[in-house]
Amino acid sequence: AQKVTQAQTEISVVEKEDVTLDCVYETRDTTYYLFWYKQPPSGELVFLIRRNSFDEQNEISGRYSWNFQKSTSSFNFTITASQVVDSAVYFCALSEGVGFGNEKLTFGTGTRLTIIP
Amino acid sequence: DVKVTQSSRYLVKRTGEKVFLECVQDMDHENMFWYRQDPGLGLRLIYFSYDVKMKEKGDIPEGYSVSREKKERFSLILESASTNQTSMYLCASSPMGGGDEKLFFGSGTQLSVL
Repeated sequence: AQKVTQAQTEISVVEKEDVTLDCVYETRDTTYYLFWYKQPPSGELVFLIRRNSFDEQNEISGRYSWNFQKSTSSFNFTITASQVVDSAVYFCALSEGVGFGNEKLTFGTGTRLTIIP
Repeated sequence: DVKVTQSSRYLVKRTGEKVFLECVQDMDHENMFWYRQDPGLGLRLIYFSYDVKMKEKGDIPEGYSVSREKKERFSLILESASTNQTSMYLCASSPMGGGDEKLFFGSGTQLSVL
């Protein structure tokens, strides 16, 4: 069975510091997708990134970057120069297979990130 | 702007009541999902549906049922609410195929069963 582990329950950093959120996954499939979602205080989960298992290239989007390493089954998320608006709960998720049904995600337990002004 | 709307933000019910949680999406998505979110447990899948009148059990379906009579609407039903069903319930939808699948979420319904 697939599993996603986010070992960091809560993290607090001072504004402008860099912070990395860890995600480790388990799957038997060779084809799968990894996701990160952000849940601000409003409650609605917001999609951040989707990465397929064949693409290990790191991705950068503004202050956000993601490091995918199949060798360690990790998909870590780094926020550079953090801001108060980054305060939220962040979820890593995994789906197996391609095509029909691959939207059925298994989520980690989330990391609550607090940015201190 | 794409939208998944859940009928209530907060709901308080009594033990034994039948509870309906409604979810509507305006994106013409084929897939719809119900998750519950509990502290320390993350999001867990209750039921999902790939088409009208179709339903599949997720990881924790016990005590729940669903209904999908129309493509845009997916209802979660608690036949006889119990206190251990106090939780945040999140509805989501996604398109079928196309290569860019991801879930779009509603704002959630915080259900308290007393």
